[in-house]
Amino acid sequence: EIVLTQPPGTLSLSPGERATLSCRASQSFSNYLAWYQQKPGQALRLLIYGASSRATGIPDRFSGSGSGTDFTLTISRLEPEDFAVYYCQQYGGSPLTFGGGTKVEIK
Amino acid sequence: EVQLVESGGGLVQPGGSLRLSCAASGFIFNNHAMSWVRQAPGKGLECVSAITGSGGSTYDADSVKGRFTISRDNSKNTVYLQMNSLRAEDTAVYYCARTTWAGQVPDFMDVWGKGTTVTVSS
Repeated sequence: EIVLTQPPGTLSLSPGERATLSCRASQSFSNYLAWYQQKPGQALRLLIYGASSRATGIPDRFSGSGSGTDFTLTISRLEPEDFAVYYCQQYGGSPLTFGGGTKVEIK
Repeated sequence: EVQLVESGGGLVQPGGSLRLSCAASGFIFNNHAMSWVRQAPGKGLECVSAITGSGGSTYDADSVKGRFTISRDNSKNTVYLQMNSLRAEDTAVYYCARTTWAGQVPDFMDVWGKGTTVTVSS
């Protein structure tokens, strides 16, 4: 099983700042990685798939990069609506697995 | 508008059964695989089951194999999760998600419902 680790558990930042979220895998799986955003009471939203492709309707302040075992989600300038929990998910091997999530909170 | 609406959650005793439903609208249902993903209280996400658009292939997590069964009725645009022999550790919010499936296992989930809560407790 591919284990995904998302350090740190919480990131405290201010609106307008840059957010860099990490997702590290226990083994390599090319670029089969997705990122999701979760807000309380709302449906999860797909942000990135294939490690770097933005999903439909996702603003270009969100970008993904990486391959192998190290992946990054970058939010170039945090908007108030971006404060949420972010999960990575790999689909390069079975079983599908998700990271434990990083909460981006207002500093 | 693409929409997924889950129903069927509730309180059930250990060893009991429950069937979840997910009604889809706004897209060609049988063109898409579907998944059930759960989130235990205060925990992360786990894909428990998935099914291809035709229903010909399924995926199940080891934690639910032999207990949960995913199915779909393309005439009703609905996917189901039959959950038997429920355990306390199955307590979670269960999300339905439209899923991309290109290879031997599901890929990523591009549309999600808001979830239905299952509580297993005596």
